[in-house]
Amino acid sequence: AQSVSQHNHHVILSEAASLELGCNYSYGGTVNLFWYVQYPGQHLQLLLKYFSGDPLVKGIKGFEAEFIKSKFSFNLRKPSVQWSDTAEYFCAVGPTSGTYKYIFGTGTRLKVLA
Amino acid sequence: KAGVTQTPRYLIKTRGQQVTLSCSPISGHRSVSWYQQTPGQGLQFLFEYFSETQRNKGNFPGRFSGRQFSNSRSEMNVSTLELGDSALYLCASSLGRVMNTEAFFGQGTRLTVV
Repeated sequence: AQSVSQHNHHVILSEAASLELGCNYSYGGTVNLFWYVQYPGQHLQLLLKYFSGDPLVKGIKGFEAEFIKSKFSFNLRKPSVQWSDTAEYFCAVGPTSGTYKYIFGTGTRLKVLA
Repeated sequence: KAGVTQTPRYLIKTRGQQVTLSCSPISGHRSVSWYQQTPGQGLQFLFEYFSETQRNKGNFPGRFSGRQFSNSRSEMNVSTLELGDSALYLCASSLGRVMNTEAFFGQGTRLTVV
C-alpha cells in the first residue's frame, strides 16, 4: 500500500538556520511527489512538485527538494529560514496510474523563532 | 481565476446529527477529492469524484458519503455524527484523469461535533 512518512513532527529553528524536512514514501511504481505548506489560518498551497527529470526541484520562497529514488525519499530543504516560514509542511505522493488520489504524510510543524 | 470554494467555513453540530459540506472546484477541473485533517493524523483521504462518479474511496465508514454534480461541484455528507468526526474537511480539485497534475485546495470546513 502507498504511504508517506514524515519523521519530524515538530521542528523549531532560529531565523537564518538551515532546514531539512524528511519525507519517505512507499510505492512500487512511478510516483509524483509534492510538498505542500499550510500557513496559519490559510489553505494548503503547493511549494514544489516532482514529476520527472532533474531530481533537484526548486519551488517557491527559496525551497528545494531532492528526489532520491534509491532511498524512496523526497526531502525538503531551505538554506536560511525566515520567521514567515512558520507553518505546517506536508509531503504527498500521487496521483499515479490507476489511482487518482494523493497520499499525504502526517505533516511537520515548523516554528521559526525571530 | 477563482480558487476552490468550500462552504460553510465553520459548523457546529451535535452528536447524531448529519451534515452536508459543499465544494466548488476551479473552473475546468473535473476531479474533486475530499480529505479529513486532524492534528497528528495529517490528511486522510476520504474519496475522489470524477465525472459524477466516485473513483476512489478511503478507509472511512459508510456514514461518510459524497456526490458530484454535472458542473463538477461536490458535496460531502456525514450522517450520525460522532465526536471523533470533529476535523477540518478539505476539498481539492484537479484536472483529473491526467497524470502530472497538482491538486488545489480550498480553505476547508471546520466541523465541530459537540
